[in-house]
Amino acid sequence: DVKVTQSSRYLVKRTGEKVFLECVQDMDHENMFWYRQDPGLGLRLIYFSYDVKMKEKGDIPEGYSVSREKKERFSLILESASTNQTSMYLCASSSQGAKGYTFGSGTRLTVV
Amino acid sequence: DAKTTQPNSMESNEEEPVHLPCNHSTISGTDYIHWYRQLPSQGPEYVIHGLTSNVNNRMASLAIAEDRKSSTLILHRATLRDAAVYYCILRNRERSYGKLTFGQGTILTVHP
Repeated sequence: DVKVTQSSRYLVKRTGEKVFLECVQDMDHENMFWYRQDPGLGLRLIYFSYDVKMKEKGDIPEGYSVSREKKERFSLILESASTNQTSMYLCASSSQGAKGYTFGSGTRLTVV
Repeated sequence: DAKTTQPNSMESNEEEPVHLPCNHSTISGTDYIHWYRQLPSQGPEYVIHGLTSNVNNRMASLAIAEDRKSSTLILHRATLRDAAVYYCILRNRERSYGKLTFGQGTILTVHP
């Protein structure tokens, strides 16, 4: 079964910490995405990448950065975590063209 | 990006068909219609997509209006496991590497 794997299901971090969320896909997909999901706001795109070392800002990139050194891995970085970054983070990947995305199970991050 | 409009919620009984509507009156000729669903505490799951013709797969059917301004996701026999939030999304194959913009979706409740 093809998969998008997120390294942690639940994570608790302190305000000001640097946080790394890791995502790995085994489908040789070109595109990878990071979303966050909050009640009442739905899924919002943070960053995406269409190739190794390439990245594009999504709708809410402030406070985040990303890294894609290898095709299969896309990391989301919170440089200095804040309480308003408490959220469910979802990684997804897709091939070029019209095909569907495959999502990971999500990482629920709590910043205290 | 062209937007979609879905009812906030719908209810169904188990083993009955469910028709989930979606309006997309500003759809462009290069927009694919995608459907995803999200079960509780999971990432979204790809269901089906289409361009102009009706589509069937093992999960559901997608009926697309002749003018493409609306579509309907059809679950032929709802089960309790189909209770989820269903998202109708337009994916433009020519822009922004196919990124998806999620709306609020339709919450489907299935009664035993």
